[in-house]
Amino acid sequence: KQEVTQIPAALSVPEGENLVLNCSFTDSAIYNLQWFRQDPGKGLTSLLLIQSSQREQTSGRLNASLDKSSGRSTLYIAASQPGDSATYLCAVRGQGSSNTGKLIFGQGTTLQVKP
Amino acid sequence: DADVTQTPRNRITKTGKRIMLECSQTKGHDRMYWYRQDPGLGLQLIYYSFDVKDINKGEISDGYSVSRQAQAKFSLSLESAIPNQTALYFCATSDPGTEDTGELFFGEGSRLTVL
Repeated sequence: KQEVTQIPAALSVPEGENLVLNCSFTDSAIYNLQWFRQDPGKGLTSLLLIQSSQREQTSGRLNASLDKSSGRSTLYIAASQPGDSATYLCAVRGQGSSNTGKLIFGQGTTLQVKP
Repeated sequence: DADVTQTPRNRITKTGKRIMLECSQTKGHDRMYWYRQDPGLGLQLIYYSFDVKDINKGEISDGYSVSRQAQAKFSLSLESAIPNQTALYFCATSDPGTEDTGELFFGEGSRLTVL
């Protein structure tokens, strides 16, 4: 059974720092991995989607990497800003669920960027 | 206007009441999903639908039912609400298309409190 873990559960950094959020998964047979952002009381906004054949994806100050063999993904945020404060969720879609769209979510990392 | 719209956004009800959460989408996607989010537990899949005639149970379907009234509409019902169904509920869509990236698009959530 696929399990997704995110460490740390919470992170507080001063503005301007570069930071890394971690996501690990137990079954390397994945279809893709998706990083989401969730603001308090809001829905999920998709940030980056990495297919199983890809090693990384970049969008602006965000870079996500994927290492299937070790069951790990990282989300790198460069030059953090207070507006980056949110909960970040990673979710894995298994190869076996490629026809269902079912995602297995981690518990999330709540990030606070202090001015 | 949001591509995936959920109503109501907030609802407080009493144990034993019947509740319906509605989801409509303008993305033209065939696949729709209902997820539940509990604090510290990430999101769990309740039901999913590939088209109007296709309904499938997810991880935690007990106590819930769904109806796919049209391609654009997918509703979630709690026939007799209980307090441990207090959670944040998300509707999501995806479109396999010719290149199935597996990306999911979420609504803003419906917060349900059962007293």
